[in-house]
Amino acid sequence: GDKVKQSPSALSLQEGTNSALRCNFSIAATTVQWFLQNPRGSLINLFYLVPGTKENGRLKSTFNSKESYSTLHIRDAQLEDSGTYFCAAAGGYKVVFGSGTRLLVSP
Amino acid sequence: DMKVTQMPRYLIKRMGENVLLECGQDMSHETMYWYRQDPGLGLQLIYISYDVDSNSEGDIPKGYRVSRKKREHFSLILDSAKTNQTSVYFCASTPGQGATLYFGEGSRLIVV
Repeated sequence: GDKVKQSPSALSLQEGTNSALRCNFSIAATTVQWFLQNPRGSLINLFYLVPGTKENGRLKSTFNSKESYSTLHIRDAQLEDSGTYFCAAAGGYKVVFGSGTRLLVSP
Repeated sequence: DMKVTQMPRYLIKRMGENVLLECGQDMSHETMYWYRQDPGLGLQLIYISYDVDSNSEGDIPKGYRVSRKKREHFSLILDSAKTNQTSVYFCASTPGQGATLYFGEGSRLIVV
């Protein structure tokens, strides 16, 4: 089965609204990363997490290693937030990606 | 300047031809990766390189091999490309186990 499962697989938001993306792991992850893949295909680093929480502007992410999940909260969504969000869990050298959440923010 | 550079960015090959995808990084990172990305499947790990001449299979190594003769360069080789190897290939590097991944811009390969 999927070692890193992301939900939802797709999401539509209106500008200015909030939402949360989730990542569940079936591997013993020690660190988690979140990436945004923009429409050009580039992978942009959003967060690198050990267990705990980080915040950057309108984005906030939490990694709970005991319960094997991570969340990415988007506050006041903007059009430029559109793209595909990937989480990646690292257990040792191996880094396993989820299948992504495709986010569309509309006016 | 922290950068991972992939060449070529776009490539069209005929079935059975050999393919060489190259990746370079200027951060002296020990560990490098090759992934492929197909629609709806996220990124799948092909190979990991821990350092020069120290490589390990990932989850989908079949049909691929790698070469790392210098720390800053990691090559992905397809001997006799197949149509199902049409994909976008991403290279990444990291300073250590479980550390931040830095990705290149990707190489789009089409095998016809």
